[in-house]
Amino acid sequence: GNSVTQMEGPVTLSEEAFLTINCTYTATGYPSLFWYVQYPGEGLQLLLKATKADDKGSNKGFEATYRKETTSFHLEKGSVQVSDSAVYFCALSKLIFGTGTRLQVFP
Amino acid sequence: GAGVSQSPSNKVTEKGKDVELRCDPISGHTALYWYRQSLGQGLEFLIYFQGNSAPDKSGLPSDRFSAERTGGSVSTLTIQRTQQEDSAVYLCASSSKQGGQPQHFGDGTRLSIL
Repeated sequence: GNSVTQMEGPVTLSEEAFLTINCTYTATGYPSLFWYVQYPGEGLQLLLKATKADDKGSNKGFEATYRKETTSFHLEKGSVQVSDSAVYFCALSKLIFGTGTRLQVFP
Repeated sequence: GAGVSQSPSNKVTEKGKDVELRCDPISGHTALYWYRQSLGQGLEFLIYFQGNSAPDKSGLPSDRFSAERTGGSVSTLTIQRTQQEDSAVYLCASSSKQGGQPQHFGDGTRLSIL
């Protein structure tokens, strides 16, 4: 069946470091892929999406590219800030969410 | 309100009791979703409403679970004869887009069954 697998956290980085949070998926067909973010004390919110192969979703300096050949949708940011500290969830349609990866950024 | 509002934020009840969880979506959002998250697990899809209709009930785990939505706004998720395995955080989300992905989630109701 359909599923997503994302790297376990926490991911701990210094400010201005490069971020990658891995997400791979298993799916029939060509589903849309999503990243959600949950900041401390807030509900999850949609961060970015990609609807077909080779699409790149981007928002708030974050990017993720839908790669069919590696069935991946890794989240990247070139220079993280303390305010990026949150839990990040990869999702495949509205039905399938990953377990979340906690990111901690220290000054 | 500005965001998705859920109540209660915490609920502790005895096994076998019925519970009702409430979700108030963002004003004007036509789509509403319920999920649950057990410890260490990803979000588990339960049900989706478009307006007052639920075209997708595939995720409801058993017939003890039901949900309704009235007036295209507030939704309630009811769990009858609760079991210990029902303990989880129940999340509600809403979206302004039909048939699409949830955009904003509430803070959830943490349900504990003793």
